Amino acid sequence: GAGVSQSPSNKVTEKGKDVELRCDPISGHTALYWYRQSLGQGLEFLIYFQGNSAPDKSGLPSDRFSAERTGGSVSTLTIQRTQQEDSAVYLCASMPSGANYEQYFGPGTRLTVT
Amino acid sequence: EDKVVQSPLSLVVHEGDTVTLNCSYEVTNFRSLLWYKQEKKAPTFLFMLTSSGIEKKSGRLSSILDKKELFSILNITATQTGDSAVYLCAVISNTGNQFYFGTGTSLTVIP
Repeated sequence: GAGVSQSPSNKVTEKGKDVELRCDPISGHTALYWYRQSLGQGLEFLIYFQGNSAPDKSGLPSDRFSAERTGGSVSTLTIQRTQQEDSAVYLCASMPSGANYEQYFGPGTRLTVT
Repeated sequence: EDKVVQSPLSLVVHEGDTVTLNCSYEVTNFRSLLWYKQEKKAPTFLFMLTSSGIEKKSGRLSSILDKKELFSILNITATQTGDSAVYLCAVISNTGNQFYFGTGTSLTVIP
């Protein structure tokens, strides 16, 4: 079956531009996470969606970052006025409901801000 | 502040060696600890541990949790070059839905 997909796989943008990163979770998975992974670092939590509940935005590093999840499925992470420190791999993961906390990760989007 | 610390940061071994990766944590209201293998971009799930002292095993990989001393170990026996990857440890708490990830251990297995 189809796994989590993300697009684009790579994105190079100029400082100050806005970017949109897309995540298609596994069908039926109610939870969706966005993470950021800088070179040589672990995964930094950004935002969490669960069903129709209000998202947990506590990990977003600044107000330049926002995310939405339409219809409980596809999610878009938007970074406005990108900065060089935003360069990282952005990973999306989805998880089914229930007590099994196994996350299924997408291949990520490598963002480079020049 | 909740945190997860992994050691060593990197490790180079020869095929056939046995390795032990460590993960210690300080997370309020601990629920479960998870291990992932990250070869390129997408981490893949290995184990979830919730109870102390119960070993989880999958082939040459095994893991155990100590909730008293707040750590877990991941053992890989008879390592192969295909085991080369970054191994990530994550902890989830009962108070939220965040996964707290460590920085990972980079394992390189030399033929």
